[in-house]
Amino acid sequence: KAGVTQTPRYLIKTRGQQVTLSCSPISGHRSVSWYQQTPGQGLQFLFEYFSETQRNKGNFPGRFSGRQFSNSRSEMNVSTLELGDSALYLCASSLVSTGGYEQYFGPGTRLTVT
Amino acid sequence: GENVEQHPSTLSVQEGDSAVIKCTYSDSASNYFPWYKQELGKRPQLIIDIRSNVGEKKDQRIAVTLNKTAKHFSLHITETQPEDSAVYFCAASGRGGADGLTFGKGTHLIIQP
Repeated sequence: KAGVTQTPRYLIKTRGQQVTLSCSPISGHRSVSWYQQTPGQGLQFLFEYFSETQRNKGNFPGRFSGRQFSNSRSEMNVSTLELGDSALYLCASSLVSTGGYEQYFGPGTRLTVT
Repeated sequence: GENVEQHPSTLSVQEGDSAVIKCTYSDSASNYFPWYKQELGKRPQLIIDIRSNVGEKKDQRIAVTLNKTAKHFSLHITETQPEDSAVYFCAASGRGGADGLTFGKGTHLIIQP
């Protein structure tokens, strides 16, 4: 069974631009969660999508948004990029909603904002 | 919301010795506690997890213990090997699983030959 995939793997953007990241979960998994990883803040939860609905959200500004499609693939969008948005963005898929179920991570998208 | 503290931030042990990493959590409703291993430049990998109705779980050289009363859980690695060198993260699923995972800051485990 193929693992979680993310595209693109690397991105360089300029302040003020917007970016869209994509995540394809493990086949059969219906939940996709997004996390931001930085050296200073560690791994922080952004949001979770389950059956095309945002189920819960972390403490990030509204510039961070996402969606999920009927095939469970998910996209994350960041608008009006800031230097502090430079990070590794990881998605994780789970068979059902995250509560108490194993989450498997993708390789991440490394976003650099200049 | 949930808050997870992880100690130590760096742990150096001799090959063959045991390593213990400790985490505490704040939300008594948290019910799921996974541990992830992340090697440099790679994705976090789930290595073991425990649910709140269990006190201990083992998988070969790795074990996790949970003390719900004290709200802490620990990762134990026995007979450490060079390939155990990595950053280890603990996490907790807050509000009985309704929230996403809250992670500790990570422990850099170094296995000395």
